[in-house]
Amino acid sequence: EDQVTQSPEALRLQEGESSSLNCSYTVSGLRGLFWYRQDPGKGPEFLFTLYSAGEEKEKERLKATLTKKESFLHITAPKPEDSATYLCAVKGTSGSRLTFGEGTQLTVNP
Amino acid sequence: KAGVTQTPRYLIKTRGQQVTLSCSPISGHRSVSWYQQTPGQGLQFLFEYFSETQRNKGNFPGRFSGRQFSNSRSEMNVSTLELGDSALYLCASSLEGYRNTGELFFGEGSRLTVL
Repeated sequence: EDQVTQSPEALRLQEGESSSLNCSYTVSGLRGLFWYRQDPGKGPEFLFTLYSAGEEKEKERLKATLTKKESFLHITAPKPEDSATYLCAVKGTSGSRLTFGEGTQLTVNP
Repeated sequence: KAGVTQTPRYLIKTRGQQVTLSCSPISGHRSVSWYQQTPGQGLQFLFEYFSETQRNKGNFPGRFSGRQFSNSRSEMNVSTLELGDSALYLCASSLEGYRNTGELFFGEGSRLTVL
């Protein structure tokens, strides 16, 4: 059974204070690792897909990296508008479903 | 390009009632998945439909069912509602075929409260 664990559960940063979110996973044949952002009361918004160890993707202040056991979402010089819950999910060979972690709730204070 | 549309956005039901939620996928997307999101369990997979056929099913009781129409629109139904069914129900669509990169695109969700 695919499993995803995210840490920390919650993270509070000052504006400009860079940090990283962790996503550890076990999956039978990784077909993709996905990062989403979710704002309160809204559906998850797609950010990145990573397919193989060593792969990196960037978007504005966010950078996602992938190893064989975990993924990191690095946030450089965050702004208050980056405050959200960040979700990690994996797709294995056992089907088309995504298995999600519980998410990291990020708060960036001005 | 319009995103995934879910209706209704909010609804309140009482125990024992049933509810039907609707989802219109992104134009051209033929795969529709449903997830339940609760504070304690996170996002849990309910089922996936492709070309009007259920392709995958999660570990939910038979009270949870769904279907997909020929225009790819999907509905899910929950019968004999229980208090624990209170959740945000999310629909997601994805592109199939050679351009499929696996991403799901989610709607805003339907917030169900069971009293």
